[in-house]
Amino acid sequence: AQTVTQSQPEMSVQEAETVTLSCTYDTSENNYYLFWYKQPPSRQMILVIRQEAYKQQNATENRFSVNFQKAAKSFSLKISDSQLGDTAMYFCAFMKRHTPLVFGKGTRLSVIA
Amino acid sequence: NAGVTQTPKFRVLKTGQSMTLLCAQDMNHEYMYWYRQDPGMGLRLIHYSVGEGTTAKGEVPDGYNVSRLKKQNFLLGLESAAPSQTSVYFCASRNGGQETQYFGPGTRLLVL
Repeated sequence: AQTVTQSQPEMSVQEAETVTLSCTYDTSENNYYLFWYKQPPSRQMILVIRQEAYKQQNATENRFSVNFQKAAKSFSLKISDSQLGDTAMYFCAFMKRHTPLVFGKGTRLSVIA
Repeated sequence: NAGVTQTPKFRVLKTGQSMTLLCAQDMNHEYMYWYRQDPGMGLRLIHYSVGEGTTAKGEVPDGYNVSRLKKQNFLLGLESAAPSQTSVYFCASRNGGQETQYFGPGTRLLVL
């Protein structure tokens, strides 16, 4: 079974600084998808960014980017120019094609003014 | 286009009572999922459906039943609620041709 590990239960960052959240996963598959979801205090699950394993180029979405290392099975999220609104739980998730998501346990990020 | 909606938003049950959580989506998605979220545990899959009339067990299915009689609705039932089922429940759906799941706002359930 696939597993997703987020080794940092909590992190904090100063406003306007950069922070990187770690995620590793375990799979024997070659084709799969990786996601980062954000969960603010409102509890809504919001997709931040996604990465297809067959793509070598790292995905970016505005201030959010990933460092996808397929051989190392690592998928970290970098948030640049951190804003107070980035304060949230962040979940890393893995999915083989046509199967449900498998989530990590999450990292609680606090952005400090 | 409301996306994924969940009813109710919050509910308190006594041990042994039953209830049904409703998930509805208006995006014509084939796949639907029920997750529970507990502190420090992330989201864990309870049951899921790959189409109308189909259901399958996830990681933590015990104590729950589901039904998908209509494509747009996915019901999660608790026949005899237990305090261990106190949690936040999320529904999600996705199109069969895409890999991104869309989540509902969650239902907070407290079992006393």
